Amino acid sequence: AQSVTQLDSQVPVFEEAPVELRCNYSSSVSVYLFWYVQYPNQGLQLLLKYLSGSTLVKGINGFEAEFNKSQTSFHLRKPSVHISDTAEYFCAVSDGAAGNKLTFGGGTRVLVKP
Amino acid sequence: DSGVTQTPKHLITATGQRVTLRCSPRSGDLSVYWYQQSLDQGLQFLIQYYNGEERAKGNILERFSAQQFPDLHSELNLSSLELGDSALYFCASSPHGTVNSPLHFGNGTRLTVT
Repeated sequence: AQSVTQLDSQVPVFEEAPVELRCNYSSSVSVYLFWYVQYPNQGLQLLLKYLSGSTLVKGINGFEAEFNKSQTSFHLRKPSVHISDTAEYFCAVSDGAAGNKLTFGGGTRVLVKP
Repeated sequence: DSGVTQTPKHLITATGQRVTLRCSPRSGDLSVYWYQQSLDQGLQFLIQYYNGEERAKGNILERFSAQQFPDLHSELNLSSLELGDSALYFCASSPHGTVNSPLHFGNGTRLTVT
């Protein structure tokens, strides 16, 4: 069975400051990792994904994440946030089997302050 | 706009009742997923269909059922509703239902059971 832990439920951050959202996973098999963003009253939107290859993954809106197999982590970072980055962020894992069923973490709510 | 359409946007009903949630996937997507988002359980995978056939099953209650029709739209049926079924229900679609096919989420149906 797989599980995903997002260590911070809320992260307040000032505009133009950097932010890091932490994600740890557990799985007995190879995994594929994803970060999704949910803006208020909207569905989830894919930010980036790690399937294979380079462990540093770049996504949309200036976000990037690093896959660390030894630490079973996939932390999300952005060097300078904007007010528009205020949203909830979800880390997810898939073992690639059974049609790419995703297991999500509990989410991290990011509040960007001016 | 993800291209995934969910109706209705809001649904208020009483305990013991039955409701049907509808999802139209993005044009060309063969796979449909249903997720439940609640405050206490977070985002939970319910079920996945691929080209009309069930592909994967998650934490879906026996009171819940789903199907995907020949035109690829999907319906999620919830019966004998309980207060705890109140949640946001998301539909997502992907072209092939594999890990290389990212999920595109609809804006959800908010179900309130009173």
